Amino acid sequence: EVQLVESGGGLVQPGGSLRLSCAASGFTFSNYAMHWVRQAPGRGLEFVSAISNNGVSTYHTNSVKGRFTISRDNSKNTLYLQMGSLRAEDMAVYYCTRGGYRGSYDYWGQGTLVTVSS
Amino acid sequence: DIQMTQSPSSLSASVGDRVTITCRASQDIRNDLGWYQQKPGKAPKRLIYVASSLQSGVPSRFSGSGSGTEFTLTISSLQPEDFATYYCLQHNTYPYTFGQGTKLEIK
Repeated sequence: EVQLVESGGGLVQPGGSLRLSCAASGFTFSNYAMHWVRQAPGRGLEFVSAISNNGVSTYHTNSVKGRFTISRDNSKNTLYLQMGSLRAEDMAVYYCTRGGYRGSYDYWGQGTLVTVSS
Repeated sequence: DIQMTQSPSSLSASVGDRVTITCRASQDIRNDLGWYQQKPGKAPKRLIYVASSLQSGVPSRFSGSGSGTEFTLTISSLQPEDFATYYCLQHNTYPYTFGQGTKLEIK
C-alpha cells in the first residue's frame, strides 16, 4: 500500500525557517517524481515545488523561489521541503504528492500544517 | 503559466441529479488533466486522470471528457457522499496549476 506521511509542520514566526519531511513507503520511491502542494486556510490548491526521481531537476513556483528548496534522499525514501524567510502568505497545509502516470498526482499524504505568526 | 478556469465555483444540486463541471485551459494541454475530490479536512482524492480515465475504485457515475483546452467532469447521478469540492489540475507544464474549485452543495 502506498503511503506518504508528512511531518515537520508547526508554528513559526515571520522570517523563520522550517523543514518539512515526507516519508514514503509501499512503492519504489526512486522511480517517481515528487511534489509539494499547499492549501491556505479556506483556499484552493497550489503547486509549490517538484523534484525529479533522481533529484537532479527541481522546480519551484515563483512565489517561493529563493526561499524554499525541495530535495530528496532516495536511500531513506524521504522527500523534504526546506522553507526559509517565511511569510504570512505561506501559512497553509502542505501536502506531499507522487507524480504518477504522465505526472498526474495519484497519491497524497494527509498534510502538515504550517502556521506563520508572531 | 497556464491558467485553469473552472466553472461554476459553486453548485447546488439534489441526490440523483446529473451535474457537470468544466475546466478551460489557457493553452493546449493535450489530455494532461486530472479531476480531484476533496472533503473538509482531508487530502484530495483523484477521480479521473488523463482527462477521461477512471481511477481504480472510483464509482462509474464519475466520468471525464475533453482534450486540448476544454474539459468536463460529469457525475451522472449524485449520491450523498459526492457533496464535496472538486478541482481540476493540469500536469502538462510547470508550474502545474489547479482550477479554483467547485463546491458542490446539497439543495
